[in-house]
Order: sequence, then structure tokens, then C-alpha cells
Amino acid sequence: EPEVTQTPSHQVTQMGQEVILRCVPISNHLYFYWYRQILGQKVEFLVSFYNNEISEKSEIFDDQFSVERPDGSNFTLKIRSTKLEDSAMYFCASRDANRGPYGYTFGSGTRLTVV
Amino acid sequence: SQKIEQNSEALNIQEGKTATLTCNYTNYSPAYLQWYRQDPGRGPVFLLLIRENEKEKRKERLKVTFDTTLKQSLFHITASQPADSATYLCAATMGNTPLVFGKGTRLSVIA
Repeated sequence: EPEVTQTPSHQVTQMGQEVILRCVPISNHLYFYWYRQILGQKVEFLVSFYNNEISEKSEIFDDQFSVERPDGSNFTLKIRSTKLEDSAMYFCASRDANRGPYGYTFGSGTRLTVV
Repeated sequence: SQKIEQNSEALNIQEGKTATLTCNYTNYSPAYLQWYRQDPGRGPVFLLLIRENEKEKRKERLKVTFDTTLKQSLFHITASQPADSATYLCAATMGNTPLVFGKGTRLSVIA
């Protein structure tokens, strides 16, 4: 079964450093998402991406965050200057445009720890 | 603001019984409700979707209901097994809007 792949699985970074989280969505999917989950809390929407541009973003997704689809397969989330409160699991998801709201496939996540 | 609430943080049941999990929504009229399973340290895995004009949906031992009057969805697992132990997430969308998740209910099935 097709999978969404995320790398790295764990990332430890110092406060103020830049991090890039990487995702390879399912190849024929056209909608891409980043979500995050702080330990013990709910899965929160960050940003959605369609047709090479951001289609929607949440209040969490401020100027410190950016997304990019640098080539035909990768989808990245960059945090420019990490803060302690950015420590969380970050999940990438993709969706098949032909299946409507079905088909959200999530990756296994990147655990980001900011120290 | 739109809220998806799963009032039970944890639910313990005996193997073989039916587990029933509740999801309520407020300030919202979602077109679709979805249920996901999440294991520790893993991403959510899609289980079932139900549309606002559907009363009930089934898949193997799983059943989901959608009551737009009560603004509630119920998620049932019949003949529960220890392998069903996980956190179950309710999520809502208008269709083209991103999924909004509840906090989840941690289900423990005791042998």
C-alpha cells in the first residue's frame, strides 16, 4: 500500500536554529498538509498546499514557517528560528484530489525536540 | 470557534464487548466526519468517513453514526480485541477545508 514517508524520524535542534522537515507524499496525490501534535495534545492543522501554493494556513503557521515543493516528489516544512514551544511531532499528509475528503494518508511523523 | 470534542479521555473495556466512543461538535456544521486510529509515536490512520446525509456507516467490526440534530458521532467497535487498543481520533471537514481533530479517546481492551 502506498505510504507517505517522512525524514528524519527524530530531530534535536538548538533554540534559534533552522530545521527542515521532509516528506515524500503519495505520488498521484495533489493535496499536501502539515499537522503537528504537541505531546498529550490534539493534532493541529498548520498548512495545506495545492497546485504549488499554500491554499490555507492556521494561526500557528506564522512567518517562522514556510513550505516548499522543491521537486516533483518532496514536500518540506522549514522552521526558520526554532523556539522551545516548537517541540512536537510533525505529521505530513497527502490526499487524492479525485476522492474528495477521503484518502488522507499520514506519515509516521518527525519528532522535533528544541533544546 | 469550531470545536470537535471527545469527552472521554480514556475508556477501558473487556475483550469481546462493544466499545462506544463519542464525538461532539459545536459552532460547526461539518459535511463529513472521519475517524482515525493513532498508535503511540505514529501518525493517524484513516478508518471511516461518514457524510452529513448518512445515518450510519459500517466496515467489518466498525460502525459510525452521524446525528446532525445532536451534533454528535458515535464510533463503535464490536467484539473488541486487545489489538484494538489505541487512541481514536474524530475529525471533521466541510469537504475542501482541512481536517479539524478532536483530542482523541484512548481505548484499552483488557483480555
